[in-house]
Parts: sequence; C-alpha cells; structure tokens
Amino acid sequence: DVKVTQSSRYLVKRTGEKVFLECVQDMDHENMFWYRQDPGLGLRLIYFSYDVKMKEKGDIPEGYSVSREKKERFSLILESASTNQTSMYLCASSDNTDTQYFGPGTRLTVL
Amino acid sequence: DQQVKQNSPSLSVQEGRISILNCDYTNSMFDYFLWYKKYPAEGPTFLISISSIKDKNEDGRFTVFLNKSAKHLSLHIVPSQPGDSAVYFCAASRGNSGYALNFGKGTSLLVTP
Repeated sequence: DVKVTQSSRYLVKRTGEKVFLECVQDMDHENMFWYRQDPGLGLRLIYFSYDVKMKEKGDIPEGYSVSREKKERFSLILESASTNQTSMYLCASSDNTDTQYFGPGTRLTVL
Repeated sequence: DQQVKQNSPSLSVQEGRISILNCDYTNSMFDYFLWYKKYPAEGPTFLISISSIKDKNEDGRFTVFLNKSAKHLSLHIVPSQPGDSAVYFCAASRGNSGYALNFGKGTSLLVTP
C-alpha cells in the first residue's frame, strides 16, 4: 500500500513565524503535491513537483514556497505565517498516472 | 475559476437506498475523472475513476457515469450504508497537465439508518 505521512497532525503557530510542513512518501513516486482544504472551497492546489528540485506553482502559491531535495520528501514552507493561512494542509503523491494518494493532513492554526 | 463544480453541498439518503452524487466540469480538455472520499480529520482516499474514452466504470457498490456531451459525471452508490457518510470530491485532470488534479468543492453525504 502507498503510504504518505505528514510530520504533524495538528500545529499551532503565531503570526509571523516561519512554518515547515513535511511530507514523506514511500512508494518512489515522481510527483508530489500540496493542497489546502477550507470549508466551502474544496481542495486547492498550492504547489507540486515532478522531480527532485523541480517545482510548479498551483492555483494559490502566494505566501508559500516548497522544497524537494529528495524524491521521497516534499516540504511546504510558510515564510511568515498569517491568520488566513489557518487551514487543513494535505500532501499527496502519484506515479505517472492521475491517481493521487493523500496523507492524513495537518491542521494548522495561526494565532 | 472553478472548472469542476459540485453544486450540491450536502445530500441525505436512507440506508439501503441509492446515493447519486453529481459533478459538472467546464474544461473540455479534461480526459480523466476521479472520485475521492474524505472522513473528518483524515486525508482523501481514492474511490473510483473513469477515462474519457468510457462512459461507465463499476467497482462493487460504486459506479461512475460520464456524459461527455453534457460535461457531467455522477457517482452512484448502491446500496448506501452508514459508513458511506463522508465528503465526496470529484476531480479531473488533463493528459498533459502533469497529473495535477482540479477538485470540486465536495458534497457531504449522510446515510441515515
């Protein structure tokens, strides 16, 4: 079974802090994705990556950056957290097919 | 601009009956469609998919129907069970998009005993 893990299930940070969300997959997938889920808005794509050191902006990249130094690990970085970044963050991975496999999510609260 | 639309935020169905969840899309370049199921505080799990070259795909109690001319797909769950209560997301992709998915906003299904 594909396993996607995220470093924290719940996280509370203060406005202005730098936040790192880590995601690891164990299936040697080429593609990795970061989404945020908000009530009434569904899943919105923040960034994705086709390969190590490659990244592409999704629909809502503002205020975020990403890092992919190793194939199995994809990090989402909030350079200076703001209250409007309070959300559920979901990481996913896929091989070269359309089916993505999701991690359990990180519920981030920014105070 | 929402390219994948789920116009019903919620649906309530009795146990044993059929649940029908609907999804519309606007981009004619989409060629692969997926349904995901999500429980609270968990990540979405893949349920079923369909390629644009087909009009139906079945997997146990779950069937997805695709009407390309209407740019509409639906997920049928028969018979519905209380454990099916979850949020269902419709998603679509284009073949040359690098496998990025466009998601709808989700439909919350409640199956009552």
